[in-house]
Amino acid sequence: AQSVTQLGSHVSVSEGALVLLRCNYSSSVPPYLFWYVQYPNQGLQLLLKYTSAATLVKGINGFEAEFKKSETSFHLTKPSAHMSDAAEYFCAVSESGGNKLVFGAGTILRVKS
Amino acid sequence: DAGVIQSPRHEVTEMGQEVTLRCKPISGHNSLFWYRQTMMRGLELLIYFNNNVPIDDSGMPEDRFSAKMPNASFSTLKIQPSEPRDSAVYFCASSRPGTGVHEQYFGPGTRLTVT
Repeated sequence: AQSVTQLGSHVSVSEGALVLLRCNYSSSVPPYLFWYVQYPNQGLQLLLKYTSAATLVKGINGFEAEFKKSETSFHLTKPSAHMSDAAEYFCAVSESGGNKLVFGAGTILRVKS
Repeated sequence: DAGVIQSPRHEVTEMGQEVTLRCKPISGHNSLFWYRQTMMRGLELLIYFNNNVPIDDSGMPEDRFSAKMPNASFSTLKIQPSEPRDSAVYFCASSRPGTGVHEQYFGPGTRLTVT
């Protein structure tokens, strides 16, 4: 069965600082991996996805993530945080050809001025 | 293009009442998903339709929950009778042909409060 672990339910960074949100997955087959963002009182929005092509994936709003099979990780990064990045971020995994997207518990990102 | 549309946005009801949540997926999308989000359990998939047919309803909590998709542009999630523990935000999501679960577009959600 697939699962996702997001380390840190809350992360706080200063504006302009590096953002690093951690995600580790478990899957018995090569996974597809995703990061979604949820702003307050809104639905989830896809940030980026890994579907077995390039291991470094670039998404919207300057975010990127790197798939590391040896570490079973898919951490999300952004070089310089903006106040508008404050939101909750969800990592998710599915199996190729699978019919279920399994979400992590989410990480709330706070950006301090 | 309009995104996924959900109604109502907020619903407050008393225990024992029937609740119906509605979803209009993005035009041209052929997969539809219902999720429930709570602080305790996070985001849970309730049911997944493909071409209007339920594919996986293993996440539906119990018989009080039912979902239908009578056509490609409309789906409902019904709770009867409702209980306080059903209080949550319910999201509907849809995806394009060929992407399956892999690129889902979420609606704004319905916040349900059962008193």
